[in-house]
Amino acid sequence: QKEVEQDPGPLSVPEGAIVSLNCTYSNSAFQYFMWYRQYSRKGPELLMYTYSSGNKEDGRFTAQVDKSSKYISLFIRDSQPSDSATYLCAMKSGANNLFFGTGTRLTVIP
Amino acid sequence: GAVVSQHPSRVICKSGTSVKIECRSLDFQATTMFWYRQFPKKSLMLMATSNEGSKATYEQGVEKDKFLINHASLTLSTLTVTSAHPEDSSFYICSADLRLQETQYFGPGTRLLVL
Repeated sequence: QKEVEQDPGPLSVPEGAIVSLNCTYSNSAFQYFMWYRQYSRKGPELLMYTYSSGNKEDGRFTAQVDKSSKYISLFIRDSQPSDSATYLCAMKSGANNLFFGTGTRLTVIP
Repeated sequence: GAVVSQHPSRVICKSGTSVKIECRSLDFQATTMFWYRQFPKKSLMLMATSNEGSKATYEQGVEKDKFLINHASLTLSTLTVTSAHPEDSSFYICSADLRLQETQYFGPGTRLLVL
């Protein structure tokens, strides 16, 4: 079983839709959770960072962490064509390496 | 804040030559930097962890003599692909650890093409 599972998509939504991206994980020691956005041929850009369980909101983006279910989500409201990218979840426990999901390719259609 | 740069962004070289890629943390000091490789439409594959002033830690299956890593200062790590071959063609991305946040910030990546 992989440490982190993420549906690779692809996911296509119309402009303005609410997008829900999810990851599950198996290691209960993970405490730090991140979502990265990666445009084609670019490095990943940190979107959201959350420590432990709870919600975090930043503009149109909301990150949720449910440690009891080992499940994290990223919601994008009022999606825009510029949101079209690959979204990677990542997580770690303490001073250790990041574990990545495979990434979900999102396309927002104008 | 937390900006990481990479140079060059693209490089084309002949088979058998060596290529050096630089990774710099521009506005913070990074005790630890990481080097990843990414194949098309795939996730990031960690190659090695680079610690300032000490030898890098390589992941299983990564040849340390082929991928030389130097982390001479708190803001600079270099990856040298020695005697490059076409199968080394890939997208190489570095990241720097911002320990206060327990997260990594990534560079823009370097696309290497070996002919």
